[in-house]
Amino acid sequence: DAKTTQPNSMESNEEEPVHLPCNHSTISGTDYIHWYRQLPSQGPEYVIHGLTSNVNNRMASLAIAEDRKSSTLILHRATLRDAAVYYCILRDVGRGRQLTFGSGTQLTVLP
Amino acid sequence: KAGVTQTPRYLIKTRGQQVTLSCSPISGHRSVSWYQQTPGQGLQFLFEYFSETQRNKGNFPGRFSGRQFSNSRSEMNVSTLELGDSALYLCASSPRTVLNTGELFFGEGSRLTVL
Repeated sequence: DAKTTQPNSMESNEEEPVHLPCNHSTISGTDYIHWYRQLPSQGPEYVIHGLTSNVNNRMASLAIAEDRKSSTLILHRATLRDAAVYYCILRDVGRGRQLTFGSGTQLTVLP
Repeated sequence: KAGVTQTPRYLIKTRGQQVTLSCSPISGHRSVSWYQQTPGQGLQFLFEYFSETQRNKGNFPGRFSGRQFSNSRSEMNVSTLELGDSALYLCASSPRTVLNTGELFFGEGSRLTVL
C-alpha cells in the first residue's frame, strides 16, 4: 500500500483556519485520498475524500496538489470540538474497502 | 437514522478464553469491516464482509474470525485470548458495493481487556 506522511501533532487557535498536510509521494493513479478523524473515545469519523480535484463539504475542504503527491485538509474555522487525531489515507478502489491507517496528526485547538 | 451499533461496549476476559463481539450496521448497509486499535499498532484492518462472504482479510492469526448474517449484522470471534488482544475493536459499515470510494461509518467500538 502507498504510504502517507503526516506531522505527529499540530496546534491551532479556536476560530482560526487549520491546514493539515499530508504527503503521499508514491500515490498511484487509482488511489483516492481519504481523511478521517477520531475524537477521544469514539470511532473514526469520515471527513472528506477526493481523487484529483479539490473538494468541499460541510466539514472541510481538501486541496490536492497537481501532481497528487501531497494534499491538505483545511478546517475553515477550528472549534474545540475539532480536537482529534486526523488520518490521511490512500484507498485503492481495486483493493476492497479496507483502510490502512497511519499514525495521524493530533490536532489541539486552543481556546 | 441509527448509527453503527456495537455490543458489548466493554468486556473483560482472561487469557485462554474466547470472546464474541457483535456489530449491527446502519440500515441498508451491506458491507461490514472490522478493525483493531491498540496504542502500539494503531488501527489495523481485520476483515470485511459483504453478502455473508468474507471479501478481504488483514494480517491476523486464525484465532480471529468473523461472520455476517443475512440481515448484514456481523460478529467477530477471538479464540484463545492473549494479553496482546486487549484493544478497541471497531466495526464499520458502508452502503457501497461495486464502487469502493465511499465513506465508512464506524461504531464506537468494543473495548476488550484480557487479564
